[in-house]
Amino acid sequence: GAVVSQHPSWVICKSGTSVKIECRSLDFQATTMFWYRQFPKQSLMLMATSNEGSKATYEQGVEKDKFLINHASLTLSTLTVTSAHPEDSSFYICSAFLSGSSYEQYFGPGTRLTVT
Amino acid sequence: KNEVEQSPQNLTAQEGEFITINCSYSVGISALHWLQQHPGGGIVSLFMLSSGKKKHGRLIATINIQEKHSSLHITASHPRDSAVYICAVNYGGSQGNLIFGKGTKLSVKP
Repeated sequence: GAVVSQHPSWVICKSGTSVKIECRSLDFQATTMFWYRQFPKQSLMLMATSNEGSKATYEQGVEKDKFLINHASLTLSTLTVTSAHPEDSSFYICSAFLSGSSYEQYFGPGTRLTVT
Repeated sequence: KNEVEQSPQNLTAQEGEFITINCSYSVGISALHWLQQHPGGGIVSLFMLSSGKKKHGRLIATINIQEKHSSLHITASHPRDSAVYICAVNYGGSQGNLIFGKGTKLSVKP
């Protein structure tokens, strides 16, 4: 099956610093990738849709200047959390949409971010 | 409001038992996904359904479009099946915008 990787799997950073999370589709091309966030004991929530070669589309309530998304190639999307605060501590998961398929998404293993 | 409701919230079973997890949604959907999330957090896609029934190993997923309901069954459950099972749906034409249920935490005891 299609594989999506994320790096790093976990990261601890100090408040005010920036953190970059990578999402890669390893064996397929993904024109669209999605970024989700999951707070403890809560459901996953879509943050943004990342389209290769164009600007990301952010969900209501997600600050685009804080969560920078870049989808520079068909296999890589990055999420940069800028000026991180403790309330940004969460589990960030990406998924990649298999081009040409209908609604078939493959999820990455997730990145646990802790901001101290 | 588009909602996805799962039941039960928590489920404890003995190894070998047949398990059913239910998912209900409020309006018409394009597709329904069953996902598995292990304690470390990683998510695995189990099934994507738009009608009927799918089977993979000991896992079976069914969907009833008219009743807006889906079930995930696990036959001959095993402790390694212990995880959180999440139902998610695509509403309308947006392929990526999944609405997630809160998940069912399954614990299978040896």
